[in-house]
Amino acid sequence: QSALTQPASVSGSSGQSITISCTGTSSDVGGYNFVSWYQQHPGKAPKLMIYDVSKWPSGISHRFSGSKSGNTAFLTIYGLQAEDEADYYCSSYTTSSTWVFGGGTKLTVL
Amino acid sequence: QEQLVESGGGLVKPGGSLRLSCAASGFRFSDYYMSWIRQAPGKGLEWVSYITSSGTSIFYTDSVKGRFTLSRDNAKNSLYLQMNSLRAEDTAVYYCAKGPEGYCNGNRCYVASSWLDPWGQGTLVTVSS
Repeated sequence: QSALTQPASVSGSSGQSITISCTGTSSDVGGYNFVSWYQQHPGKAPKLMIYDVSKWPSGISHRFSGSKSGNTAFLTIYGLQAEDEADYYCSSYTTSSTWVFGGGTKLTVL
Repeated sequence: QEQLVESGGGLVKPGGSLRLSCAASGFRFSDYYMSWIRQAPGKGLEWVSYITSSGTSIFYTDSVKGRFTLSRDNAKNSLYLQMNSLRAEDTAVYYCAKGPEGYCNGNRCYVASSWLDPWGQGTLVTVSS
């Protein structure tokens, strides 16, 4: 149950777009369309932003977009805003009927 | 609205035990799979365990197998995590969450979505002598 691989940090200027990658294997990301993305602000509980690779929960801005190619999932944030600065985590279902998270990516909005 | 409230965290010595509870409200608890996720201080999220809606199937991450037991009481809208033989590396904020989405057909259960929402506010477990 190795953690999914995410970049430790990404940054972008307000109004720009950024993409965070989440790399796994054929036993998790590549094997299922059960990938989610979570946003976590300091001291707060995580918040679901994207589920099932590319679906939006009610109330989530469509500036957040999810996709997948092979064993790697992506979260793209369009039109960066100051409030987007947070930690982002991906997660995936696995062939062991368990779940695995990525190590997290710290997003800085310049 | 849907709400989850964890309780039961605290300071415990290595080798000790603790029972976490998660009280659910605002949704039909008995219809949903439920999960526990933890986060060590300054670290990332780690999935711990999940249980199907009826409690017939339970899954654990390898590091807690044989030490943690997940259960639920659908009549009380509550989820429990019994933690035994606690280690320093179990120190973390423990979150309960609604999900993933799933269903059971007879005695076989399936995951239908990666949805995990909402999450509770978390309860801190500190394992230290």
